Amino acid sequence: EAGVAQSPRYKIIEKRQSVAFWCNPISGHATLYWYQQILGQGPKLLIQFQNNGVVDDSQLPKDRFSAERLKGVDSTLKIQPAKLEDSAVYLCASSLGQFPLYGSPLHFGNGTRLTVT
Amino acid sequence: QKEVEQNSGPLSVPEGAIASLNCTYSDRVSQSFFWYRQYSGKSPELIMSIYSNGDKEDGRFTAQLNKASQYVSLLIRDSQPSDSATYLCAVFTNAGKSTFGDGTTLTVKP
Repeated sequence: EAGVAQSPRYKIIEKRQSVAFWCNPISGHATLYWYQQILGQGPKLLIQFQNNGVVDDSQLPKDRFSAERLKGVDSTLKIQPAKLEDSAVYLCASSLGQFPLYGSPLHFGNGTRLTVT
Repeated sequence: QKEVEQNSGPLSVPEGAIASLNCTYSDRVSQSFFWYRQYSGKSPELIMSIYSNGDKEDGRFTAQLNKASQYVSLLIRDSQPSDSATYLCAVFTNAGKSTFGDGTTLTVKP
């Protein structure tokens, strides 16, 4: 079974530039999550999709971050314009059901390490 | 107060000892609890999941849940140097809201 695919692995941009990250979840997984992990902290949920729809985007800075899930499969996360404090690892995860219950844990991709200079 | 709090660490134990990692959460409607291990520079990987009060054992790992006290723990028996990592506690509500703690860094010394 192929895992969660993310690209790119690393990205360095200057502040005020834009950047996009891509995620392909495990086949058949209905729920897709984007997390931001700042060094020394735990992952913070940015947005959660259930198929095509958004379940939770309460912590997404909507003035600069946007995300979409294409046809309920792939997803892209965009930052425009980037700020220094956006430097972090962006993790994509997927799970079978809407809630990670009873054998439906989150599977994480390798993440994208973003550095904003 | 953070929604999910873990021992700030770092935690250091000798090889072969028991490592005890603790986590408290504030949302009483939390229903699913997970422990993830994260090696430096890597993404989190699932170690244990627990959904009901009591203990759940899987090899050298035991997760303990007490919903009344809003407390979940992870015990690692016979700790090995390869267990050295950051351990993340994750709490999910039935509405799908997920919250991770900031992790406890464990070092197992040979």
